[in-house]
Amino acid sequence: QQQVKQSPQSLIVQKGGISIINCAYENTAFDYFPWYQQFPGKGPALLIAIRPDVSEKKEGRFTISFNKSAKQFSLHIMDSQPGDSATYFCAARMDTGRRALTFGSGTRLQVQP
Amino acid sequence: DAGITQSPRHKVTETGTPVTLRCHQTENHRYMYWYRQDPGHGLRLIHYSYGVKDTDKGEVSDGYSVSRSKTEDFLLTLESATSSQTSVYFCATGTGSNQPQHFGDGTRLSIL
Repeated sequence: QQQVKQSPQSLIVQKGGISIINCAYENTAFDYFPWYQQFPGKGPALLIAIRPDVSEKKEGRFTISFNKSAKQFSLHIMDSQPGDSATYFCAARMDTGRRALTFGSGTRLQVQP
Repeated sequence: DAGITQSPRHKVTETGTPVTLRCHQTENHRYMYWYRQDPGHGLRLIHYSYGVKDTDKGEVSDGYSVSRSKTEDFLLTLESATSSQTSVYFCATGTGSNQPQHFGDGTRLSIL
């Protein structure tokens, strides 16, 4: 049972363009939604995160949009750069109990110069 | 980087052999996790620990066991490795409060 569905699987964007990755979740008990960035040979690193009491959070070129009623959230990368080329994972977590992350399947982003 | 060291970083072994992966943290975080990463599946939780000698199963725990005898060390054991356990294994730690998890750089395990 995949509780967090992520799309697209891969994405090619031109330098300076906007990259958009979407996720949908099923468990309404999730209350923390992070995005992780992963480079080859490295572990996932936290990029930005949001809680369901806000609809948008922006940090530099990265923005999370959150739609609680639709149970969807998305990552927008503005002015995409070749250095942004990586795999991105959305995730969700309950802040009680084991606090383990449930991950989406990942999106491989390639930003072309 | 939250001071997480995984060892070994790479390992090749044969089916049926026991394998132990180690995760060492220097942050004194209460929670520790083992995930496996496979194409098309993201990362999936194998086991986790919420304190010394306190562990529990995740979604893909079959064939794996864990131990945590010290706060800083969390061991993942494959008692009898199978080819389906070929994967990249990540350890993560968390404080248990509303803070993000931090990940190690993984162990690439190949079982022939």
